[in-house]
Amino acid sequence: KQEVTQIPAALSVPEGENLVLNCSFTDSAIYNLQWFRQDPGKGLTSLLLIQSSQREQTSGRLNASLDKSSGRSTLYIAASQPGDSATYLCAVRDGAQKLVFGQGTRLTINP
Amino acid sequence: EAGVAQSPRYKIIEKRQSVAFWCNPISGHATLYWYQQILGQGPKLLIQFQNNGVVDDSQLPKDRFSAERLKGVDSTLKIQPAKLEDSAVYLCASSLDLSSGNTIYFGEGSWLTVV
Repeated sequence: KQEVTQIPAALSVPEGENLVLNCSFTDSAIYNLQWFRQDPGKGLTSLLLIQSSQREQTSGRLNASLDKSSGRSTLYIAASQPGDSATYLCAVRDGAQKLVFGQGTRLTINP
Repeated sequence: EAGVAQSPRYKIIEKRQSVAFWCNPISGHATLYWYQQILGQGPKLLIQFQNNGVVDDSQLPKDRFSAERLKGVDSTLKIQPAKLEDSAVYLCASSLDLSSGNTIYFGEGSWLTVV
């Protein structure tokens, strides 16, 4: 059974810092990995989708990497801003074509 | 392009009552998902449809939860009777089809409080 873990559960950093969020999964037989953002009281917004054959994807200040063999992904946020404060969730698409989520990292960027 | 629509956004019911949530996916999306997200946890898949057929409902508590997508477009998730532990956000999502390359898009969620 696929399990997804995100560390840390919460992170607070000053504005302007670069930061890394971690995601690990137990079964490397995945189709893709997706990073989402969730604001309080809102649904999930897709940030980046990495196919299993890819190593990384970039969108603006966000860069996500995938190391399928070791079961790890990282989300790198450059030059953080207060507007980046949210919960970040990673999810892997497994062999049954369903998304399995981690529990999320709650990020706070302090002005 | 309109996103995934869900209603109602918020619902408070007493335990043992029933509740129904509605979802309209993005136009043209064949695959529809219902997820349950308990506060502080990641979403958990309840049921997955491809058109009007069920692909996966292995984690749906079938003694109290039911879902349908009769015409392969919008969907309804029902809980009857509700328990306190059903308090959660119910997220509907859709994608073009089951292809692994497709992004999954989520609605704003329906927030349920059972008292």
